Order: sequence, then structure tokens, then C-alpha cells
Amino acid sequence: QKEVEQNSGPLSVPEGAIASLNCTYSDRGSQSFFWYRQYSGKSPELIMFIYSNGDKEDGRFTAQLNKASQYVSLLIRDSQPSDSATYLCAVNNDYKLSFGAGTTVTVRA
Amino acid sequence: EAGVAQSPRYKIIEKRQSVAFWCNPISGHATLYWYQQILGQGPKLLIQFQNNGVVDDSQLPKDRFSAERLKGVDSTLKIQPAKLEDSAVYLCASSLEVSGSSYEQYFGPGTRLTVT
Repeated sequence: QKEVEQNSGPLSVPEGAIASLNCTYSDRGSQSFFWYRQYSGKSPELIMFIYSNGDKEDGRFTAQLNKASQYVSLLIRDSQPSDSATYLCAVNNDYKLSFGAGTTVTVRA
Repeated sequence: EAGVAQSPRYKIIEKRQSVAFWCNPISGHATLYWYQQILGQGPKLLIQFQNNGVVDDSQLPKDRFSAERLKGVDSTLKIQPAKLEDSAVYLCASSLEVSGSSYEQYFGPGTRLTVT
């Protein structure tokens, strides 16, 4: 079983819509959770992190965490063409990050 | 603030040759990471340094890969001899400290290695 699994893409959404990305993890002791965005040919850049159950909002991005279900999600509201990228979910266990394979999002104008 | 620097950006070698990558972390960042990202996959941690000591190298193929971080700043990652399956992007990342909200990792531009 993979440590971090993300919903397989690609995910295509129209401009202005909500993109919903999901991530599940296997280690119940995982402490914190990160979402990175990676444009094609570029390195990952941190979008958000979340430690506590519930929602965390930052601009058009909302991260949701449910530790009981071992599930973390990312919502992108009012999707823009510039949001087209691969989104990586990363899980922190003892200050080591395990990454999922990523979900590629395409926002069509 | 300058970001994480890596060189070279691209490298093409033949199998069984050796190669070295260099990383300079963000100034003041104590923790440095090397990741391997194969096309279509997420980054995989190879080795983690805290200052100049190794914290974790459990996924480093030690028969061919080595890494060092002298003086707790710059780091080099070496592959000798290279195999075809080593073709990947090698990412260096750094973080201010390994605790709480300062754990965010910042990635360099990566080195794209092609082994032929």
C-alpha cells in the first residue's frame, strides 16, 4: 500500500469552477500535511499546510483535514488558467515528507 | 531572500559513468534534503541533513549514491556508477528548522539527469 495516494488525474475544470483534489495517507500518526504546486518542468512550491482537523483557507485555496478518515483535500475556488499544474500532497512523519504522485489539473478557458 | 541554488541544471551521461550535483540552501536553513523525482511520480526523499549530520538516509542506494554536507552549508550528491533507472530530476530542498511551523521546505530548481 502506498503511503500517500492522490486521486488520479488529469482533472479538467472550466475557468471559474472549483477544482477538488483528494489525498489519503496510511500512517495514522502523521503530524502535518502539505500541498505543493508543480508547474511542468519546475520544482514544487508550497501552497498550504495544515495541522489540525477542519478547514484552512488562504485566498482561493482551502485545505481540509480529517485525521480520523486519514484524508486531506485541497479546493481551488474560481479556478484560473494559471492554476493549471500538478498538485502534490505531502505528509509529514517525524519531519520526513512522503509525497503522493500528484494530480494534474487543467483549467480550460 | 535568495532561494535554493542547484547546479548543473541538466546533465547527460552514459551508464556506468559518475556524476555529482551541488546544492546551496537558503541562508540560515539548518536542514537540507535531497529528493529524486522520476517522471510521473512525486519526489522521493534520498537523504536528510541537519546541519552537517545525516538525519535519514534510509532510501539512499548506498552502493552507488553518496552525499555530504561539509560545514553545514553546501551539499553534494554523487552517483557512481550511474544506471539507466537513475534518470530523474534531483531536487534539493531546505528548511529553517525541523520543528513546528518552521518546517516548510523550499525547493531548488532541480537537476535533470539523463542516463543513456
